[in-house]
Amino acid sequence: GAVVSQHPSWVICKSGTSVKIECRSLDFQATTMFWYRQFPKQSLMLMATSNEGSKATYEQGVEKDKFLINHASLTLSTLTVTSAHPEDSSFYICSARPGTFGYEQYFGPGTRLTVT
Amino acid sequence: QQQVKQSPQSLIVQKGGISIINCAYENTAFDYFPWYQQFPGKGPALLIAIRPDVSEKKEGRFTISFNKSAKQFSLHIMDSQPGDSATYFCAAEVTGNQFYFGTGTSLTVIP
Repeated sequence: GAVVSQHPSWVICKSGTSVKIECRSLDFQATTMFWYRQFPKQSLMLMATSNEGSKATYEQGVEKDKFLINHASLTLSTLTVTSAHPEDSSFYICSARPGTFGYEQYFGPGTRLTVT
Repeated sequence: QQQVKQSPQSLIVQKGGISIINCAYENTAFDYFPWYQQFPGKGPALLIAIRPDVSEKKEGRFTISFNKSAKQFSLHIMDSQPGDSATYFCAAEVTGNQFYFGTGTSLTVIP
């Protein structure tokens, strides 16, 4: 149980285009979903927290107009990287939590974004 | 400011040996301390977690030791195997609030 999927697993796009990454909780309803960014050989950096039906809360320094997050249902959150640039190339990982308090985060397999 | 400090950055252990990774924190409000294992190109997977009301938790070859007064916790991997070679992250959370990851430890177990 507690499986989180991400789609696509990797994507290459041209500079200036937008890319959407999906995060789905497959066997549970996720009250809260998180989006992380990870650079090679570094730790995970929290970008934003989203609760179903409400606006995402972005961490300091994360451009909300660039990284659009939509938590449309209890099983789906999307991250759209708008007007992508090469510096946005990274490994993006989502996680989902079944409840608000006292519940574990379950991580997706990640999406490798390369912007050329 | 790094909320959770993790060491060492990298670790090489012989097969069958004990791998020990340490983490320290300052915020006494943290009440949940998980450890994650991450293989290259994959998302982190929960290994084992502890809450501060116990000093040790063991699951198979993995043990968390927790020292509340010192604000430190560690992961011990007994009988380390080459398949354990991965990056390990500790984390800390005030339940329901932000999750803080350590900086990660790259473990290599040599046959």
